This record gives sequence, C-alpha cells and structure tokens, in this order.
Amino acid sequence: GAVVSQHPSRVICKSGTSVKIECRSLDFQATTMFWYRQFPKQSLMLMATSNEGSKATYEQGVEKDKFLINHASLTLSTLTVTSAHPEDSSFYICSARRGASWNEQFFGPGTRLTVL
Amino acid sequence: GEDVEQSLFLSVREGDSSVINCTYTDSSSTYLYWYKQEPGAGLQLLTYIFSNMDMKQDQRLTVLLNKKDKHLSLRIADTQTGDSAIYFCAESLSGNTPLVFGKGTRLSVIA
Repeated sequence: GAVVSQHPSRVICKSGTSVKIECRSLDFQATTMFWYRQFPKQSLMLMATSNEGSKATYEQGVEKDKFLINHASLTLSTLTVTSAHPEDSSFYICSARRGASWNEQFFGPGTRLTVL
Repeated sequence: GEDVEQSLFLSVREGDSSVINCTYTDSSSTYLYWYKQEPGAGLQLLTYIFSNMDMKQDQRLTVLLNKKDKHLSLRIADTQTGDSAIYFCAESLSGNTPLVFGKGTRLSVIA
C-alpha cells in the first residue's frame, strides 16, 4: 500500500514562533501534495496544492506568507506556519497523489497544532 | 462553486444498517468518494463511485448515486462498534483536481 507520514503528530508552541510540519510519502513518489486544515467539527479545507519543484498554489483566503509550503523532492513537502498565533491552532492534514489516477491520493495522519 | 452537504450526526444500534447521506451541487462532479476518519487520525478512503455508475457494493458497504438529484449515500450493513467514526463525502471534477469535502457525519454505534 501507499503510506503518507506526517511529523510531528502533535506540537504545542508559543505565540510568535514558527512551526514546520513535514509530509512524506514513504513508498512512492508524489508529484502533487495537498495541505488541508480541519477545524473541530468542520470539514477539511484545502489550503494549497504543491507540485514538486514549483511554487505552491494557494486557495483564496490563505496567506502565502503565513503558510509557507516547500515541495523540494518527490517524497517530501513541508508546511511552515510562520509567527503562529492561537487562531492558527488546528489539525493540519496532508495528502499525496501518486500518479495521474483519480484515486491515488493518500492522506497523512494529521498534525495537531496548538498555539498558546 | 462546489459545495457538499451532509447531516452531522447519526446514531445506530450495533447490528443495524447505517445510511449516511450526502448532496453535492456541482453536476460536473465526476468522482465521488467516502472517507472514514477515526479520532485523531487522518482520512482513510473507504470507497468511491464514478458519476456514470448508480451503485457500487464492496462487502458491507453499498454506495448509491442519484445523479439527477445529486445525492450520494453510503450504507453500512451490520454496523459494528468499530464503525464509529466521522464519514466524509467528497467530490472532484476530475482525477487531477483537489477534493471538496463535506463537513462529515459522526456515526455513533450503540452496543
């Protein structure tokens, strides 16, 4: 099967600090990775789409300078929440698309970010 | 824009069937999915259906699609306590476009 990992699974940080979340495809190469944000009892909201070697495409309303995405290799994408504030506290989930087929998108286990 | 709606809660007794409903707005949706999310975990793809299909069955799971009404349902037969989770309906216009998710239906199974 295809496995996507995220690290860390949980992080607590102080307001004003930056936090980096890693998303890795462990046994396949991911040309495209997606970053989602999930609020309690809410749906997953797509934040951005990242393609290896190019700039991420952000959804409307998502601040590019706040949520930095880097997809430097075919197995790793990172999301950095810069100058985090309590309102950034959320569950962040990544997914990785293996190929062009519709169903080859695999989700990571998520990262719970709490900003104090 | 695309929108996906689901009821938020469903409670069933163990052994009964569960039916989770979903409606979507974009008639161009080509791919429709059901995902399961257990507490504190990511999403697991349960099953899917293409828009040119009416029904798909996979063991205890049956997906019904009414394309005219843009209505999708997931039936879980012989529901078990391990089925307790949040179930998300999602759609996409093509295999290359991001998924649009509903808010999820929290299924509680009573022993």
